[in-house]
Amino acid sequence: EVVLTQSPGTLSKSPGERVSLSCRASESVSSIYIAWYQQKPGQAPSLLIYAASNRATGVPDRFSGSGSETDFTLTISRLEPEDSAVYYCQQYSSSHSFGQGTRLEIK
Amino acid sequence: EVHLVQSGGGLAQPGRSLRLSCEASGFIFDDFAMHWVRHAPGRGLEWVSGITWKSDNVAYADSVKGRFTVSRDNARNSLYLQMDSLRADDTARYYCAKDIARFGYQWIFDVWGQGTMVTVSS
Repeated sequence: EVVLTQSPGTLSKSPGERVSLSCRASESVSSIYIAWYQQKPGQAPSLLIYAASNRATGVPDRFSGSGSETDFTLTISRLEPEDSAVYYCQQYSSSHSFGQGTRLEIK
Repeated sequence: EVHLVQSGGGLAQPGRSLRLSCEASGFIFDDFAMHWVRHAPGRGLEWVSGITWKSDNVAYADSVKGRFTVSRDNARNSLYLQMDSLRADDTARYYCAKDIARFGYQWIFDVWGQGTMVTVSS
């Protein structure tokens, strides 16, 4: 099974800043099989990015995905307070698995 | 608007059963594969089960295989998860989720239900 390791575990940023969240795979994954989800407190997860860099319907262009092989990144430019959430990466190349999540706090 | 509304869940003793339901609206339910994903306290997300649009291909995580059964009723726009032989480590919030792709699995979950808590404890 492909294990996804996300870093950092938790981070705190200010509105207007830019942040990059990392997702590292234990083996090479085609970028078309990587997705990112956002889970706000008390809510279900929601799809942000799929096939590594495609934004889901309604997702602002502040969110972007990139990466290849074993290293993938979710970048959020111009952070807003509502971006406070836990972010999960997912791979669906070899079976399917999620990372453990990165908690982002906007203070 | 697309919605998945869940019901069922609650408290069950180890070894007992529970059934979860998920009713869909706002999209052509019988065009899409559907899934169950769970989130245990202090742990990450875990895919549990999936079922294709005409129920001809069902899949389970190893952790629930042989104990959980997924099904759907396209006439009722509904998805179900029958959970038997429950264990303490099945305790989690369970979500139903819609696959992004028509007529097959793509394992991308673009619509989620609100979740329902399942607690397994004596």
